[in-house]
Amino acid sequence: KAGVTQTPRYLIKTRGQQVTLSCSPISGHRSVSWYQQTPGQGLQFLFEYFSETQRNKGNFPGRFSGRQFSNSRSEMNVSTLELGDSALYLCASSYAVMGTEAFFGQGTRLTVV
Amino acid sequence: GENVEQHPSTLSVQEGDSAVIKCTYSDSASNYFPWYKQELGKGPQLIIDIRSNVGEKKDQRIAVTLNKTAKHFSLHITETQPEDSAVYFCAASIERGRGAQKLVFGQGTRLTINP
Repeated sequence: KAGVTQTPRYLIKTRGQQVTLSCSPISGHRSVSWYQQTPGQGLQFLFEYFSETQRNKGNFPGRFSGRQFSNSRSEMNVSTLELGDSALYLCASSYAVMGTEAFFGQGTRLTVV
Repeated sequence: GENVEQHPSTLSVQEGDSAVIKCTYSDSASNYFPWYKQELGKGPQLIIDIRSNVGEKKDQRIAVTLNKTAKHFSLHITETQPEDSAVYFCAASIERGRGAQKLVFGQGTRLTINP
């Protein structure tokens, strides 16, 4: 069974640009959550989607947005990039009907210059 | 608000010894507590979890204990091996209907196993 797949693995963007990250969950999983990981702030929750609906949202500015498609794949978008957005962005998938175990992908390393 | 504190931030033990990592959570409604292991260049890997209706859970060399009254939970690794070296994260979540989830993570513990 394939794991959580995140693309791309690495990205370098310039301040002010926007970026879209993609996440394909484990087959059969319907919940996708996104987290930002930085050395200073650790792992912080961005948002969670289930059946194309955002169910939970963390304390991030509106520049961070996401969506989920009917096949459960999810995308995350960050607009007007700032240097402080440099981080590892992690996606986690969960079956979300019975049990809450969340399985993470390898992440997308975003560097803003 | 929700908060999880994790200690220690770094831990170094001799191969074969035990390692213990402790976490405290603030939200008394939390009822699901997973532990993750993150190796360099990889995403966090779920290694064990416990729900609030259980006090202890064991899987081979790894065990987790939960004290709901004190809002503490701990990870115990016995007979440590070099491949146990990694960063370990605890997390707390409130399980709602249909698995709605928001994991709140501790700051992580860098565990080093010395041969």
